[in-house]
Amino acid sequence: DIVLTQSPDSLAVSLGERATINCKSSQSVLYSSNNKYYLSWYQQRPGQPPKLLIYWASTRKSGVPDRFSGSGSGTDFTLTISSLQAEDVAVYYCQQYYSSTWTFGQGTKVEIK
Amino acid sequence: QLQLQESGPGLVKPSETLSLTCTVSGDSINSNTYYWGWIRQSPGKGLELIGNIHYSGNTYYNPSLKSRVTISMDTSQKQFSLKLMSVTAADTAVYYCARHRVTGGAGMGYDYWGQGTLVTVSS
Repeated sequence: DIVLTQSPDSLAVSLGERATINCKSSQSVLYSSNNKYYLSWYQQRPGQPPKLLIYWASTRKSGVPDRFSGSGSGTDFTLTISSLQAEDVAVYYCQQYYSSTWTFGQGTKVEIK
Repeated sequence: QLQLQESGPGLVKPSETLSLTCTVSGDSINSNTYYWGWIRQSPGKGLELIGNIHYSGNTYYNPSLKSRVTISMDTSQKQFSLKLMSVTAADTAVYYCARHRVTGGAGMGYDYWGQGTLVTVSS
């Protein structure tokens, strides 16, 4: 199975400041036939189901605020919240759907400092 | 607006079978561009894929659960279902159903989720 390791496990950021979450894959998730990374990012607020934010590593889902951005290549990926808002307090997960067994990272908890 | 709703018993006894149904509304379930999945989240833990089903009948199961899992679909009812046999306390979790969308031949991830249902395994 592809293992996704997120860092840090938690972080506290002041309102309006940048939050950066990393996701490292144990192997490539690049689908060579279409040159797309099969990696998504989700936000899970307390008591809520996960919500898709980013797919193909860097494509923002329609309706997601543009302060959320995804980047990365190879086996290293990043979710950035450019200016943290109170409603962004949540656990964030990366997920790969490249291999036959789709897996999630362990999650990163984002809090307000 | 697509909606997914899980239903089923919230309490299951050890060694018995957990059965859940996901009802889809607001969109077609028998589209070639969607896979329908079950994902679970143990209390205070992360997310684990149980398996996916396509309307064609193709299924995929997480190898760690494959011997105990069956996912099926009833397109006429716009429902898909999960059966997990021989449950133990380790199967206590919030169970989510979700839709994985494929566009231009490329998967996008799970773009819609149900609210989730807590299933507790206890005698």
